[in-house]
Amino acid sequence: GAVVSQHPSRVICKSGTSVKIECRSLDFQATTMFWYRQFPKQSLMLMATSNEGSKATYEQGVEKDKFLINHASLTLSTLTVTSAHPEDSSFYICSARDEGGPIASPLHFGNGTRLTVT
Amino acid sequence: GENVEQHPSTLSVQEGDSAVIKCTYSDSASNYFPWYKQELGKRPQLIIDIRSNVGEKKDQRIAVTLNKTAKHFSLHITETQPEDSAVYFCAPGDSWGKLQFGAGTQVVVTP
Repeated sequence: GAVVSQHPSRVICKSGTSVKIECRSLDFQATTMFWYRQFPKQSLMLMATSNEGSKATYEQGVEKDKFLINHASLTLSTLTVTSAHPEDSSFYICSARDEGGPIASPLHFGNGTRLTVT
Repeated sequence: GENVEQHPSTLSVQEGDSAVIKCTYSDSASNYFPWYKQELGKRPQLIIDIRSNVGEKKDQRIAVTLNKTAKHFSLHITETQPEDSAVYFCAPGDSWGKLQFGAGTQVVVTP
């Protein structure tokens, strides 16, 4: 079945460094992918919509220069957290839908990336 | 944008009893209404969904009802079991996958 692979699953970085997270659709193509952030014991917050071949669409309050999104191919979107700070520590998760499938095909989530900034 | 409210925030039920969680939304353009179950540290898992042209859908012990006029939909779990304990999220949105998650409901099923 359709699978979304997300890497890394966990990453620890120092303040001021940048971290790249990959979201890959393994057996389907997706012109659109979504990035969410989840703080402990809170809900998933939509950060942005990643659009293949064009700029991402960011939700209100999300800094586009802080969270760089690149969707260079139909199977890969990347989220780069630039100049990370401890408050960026969170669970980041992507999702995508098999656009080649029926309209009722489900959304697939990656396993998430636990980012810890020290 | 979409404003989503989910109630209750916590729900404790005895094993075998039913659980109901309600979600209200504001965006009349929403046409896809899923419910997700999330266990600690894991990705959300779709447990049931409904689209705007349907009023009710059932899958074994799980059901979802939708009232588009009133802009709310509910999750119903019958004959609850300890393994139903988790956090549940509603996430109204569009069928392309852009979802806005509710705040979540911590369900605890006690034996």
